[in-house]
Amino acid sequence: NAGVTQTPKFRILKIGQSMTLQCAQDMNHNYMYWYRQDPGMGLKLIYYSVGAGITDKGEVPNGYNVSRSTTEDFPLRLELAAPSQTSVYFCASSLFRETDTQYFGPGTRLTVL
Amino acid sequence: DQQVKQNSPSLSVQEGRISILNCDYTNSMFDYFLWYKKYPAEGPTFLISISSIKDKNEDGRFTVFLNKSAKHLSLHIVPSQPGDSAVYFCAALDMRFGAGTRLTVKP
Repeated sequence: NAGVTQTPKFRILKIGQSMTLQCAQDMNHNYMYWYRQDPGMGLKLIYYSVGAGITDKGEVPNGYNVSRSTTEDFPLRLELAAPSQTSVYFCASSLFRETDTQYFGPGTRLTVL
Repeated sequence: DQQVKQNSPSLSVQEGRISILNCDYTNSMFDYFLWYKKYPAEGPTFLISISSIKDKNEDGRFTVFLNKSAKHLSLHIVPSQPGDSAVYFCAALDMRFGAGTRLTVKP
């Protein structure tokens, strides 16, 4: 039982490049989330999903896209990377709703130069 | 628009003493709160939660107090241990997190 896994752990992108941050969970959780954490700041919700095929915007969705084709996977796509997207990205999941305990992955540290 | 605020970026306490971490919120519709703990290079992990139907929830050394009229909650750790040194985030329903408080417990 691996919980929530994220790949890659680190990545450096050039301005304008694209990439996909991978997130997978093996707990059969319905809800999945993507957050970003900037230095000295709390976590900001980017997108979330309440089940396969259903996604919704969070607080800071601009510049990102998500999909949820399976219960297990919730990839986050960055198109046209910008320096403002330099951050640590966390994926999380919870069983039934957002008030359930969220289980977080270890994070992906992304730098855009 | 920070609806969940942790105004103390850091706190240092001596081992064995009480640690009190504070959190304020602005939206009176928030009725469920969680505290998460985060070590460097790891994701946050759940610590304790409280529903607005209660004013206190206790789990071992950790107690969370909720004052709805003041829109304030606090996390008490007694006694504090060096292993408690981490960043603590307060979070509300609607997945809004505070900026975190870095707790350092000195031996």
